[in-house]
Amino acid sequence: QVQLQESGPGLVKPSQTLSLTCTVSGGSITTSGYYWSWIRQLPGKGLEWIGYIYYSGTTHYNPSLRSRVTISVERSKNQFSLKLSSVTAADTAVYYCARDDYGSGRGLDFWGQGTLVTVSS
Amino acid sequence: DIQMTQSPSSLSASVGDRVTITCRASQGIRDDLGWYQQKPGKAPKRLIYAASSLQSGVPSRFSGGGSGTEFTLTISSLQPDDFATYYCLQHNIYPRTFGQGTKVEIK
Repeated sequence: QVQLQESGPGLVKPSQTLSLTCTVSGGSITTSGYYWSWIRQLPGKGLEWIGYIYYSGTTHYNPSLRSRVTISVERSKNQFSLKLSSVTAADTAVYYCARDDYGSGRGLDFWGQGTLVTVSS
Repeated sequence: DIQMTQSPSSLSASVGDRVTITCRASQGIRDDLGWYQQKPGKAPKRLIYAASSLQSGVPSRFSGGGSGTEFTLTISSLQPDDFATYYCLQHNIYPRTFGQGTKVEIK
């Protein structure tokens, strides 16, 4: 079964760039039909979809974050990454990576456990 | 963006109760909807996909219904393990959007 695991700094200073990596195990990131996604959950609040990447490098971002987000893929390591620039306290959240099974139209199936990123000086 | 409106935002219920949560989409999304359960400190866990298909390993007391713009998640007999927050998610178009959540608490 596919497993995803987020990693990266838990504390980022305001105006800096948040960087997280998601490592996929139990399956290949290059399998067709899957988008590799990032989602975040603000403290005590709901869920916000950030964007996805396909193994070919095709990306799609939430318009609300598009100007600050970059998602990239490292096929050789079976990983994909998130960069969010110019962060503020409003970006403090639990960040999740997940697989989007768009090929069968079944949406987000497997999720990582999540990692809390706090933006603070 | 498609707006997903979930109701109620919270409810109190007893073990054994039948519980229904509703999710409305701002435009038609066919049956491209999933339901997720989230417990404190944990990632969301998918219960239902394609509006009414039960995820493997999920108890049969969970069921989903609807299509187009109105969807329901029903728990036929609430169990102690079911006290959690539930979210709907549309996967018809991008950006994916979630309902705001329904917290199910013990009465």
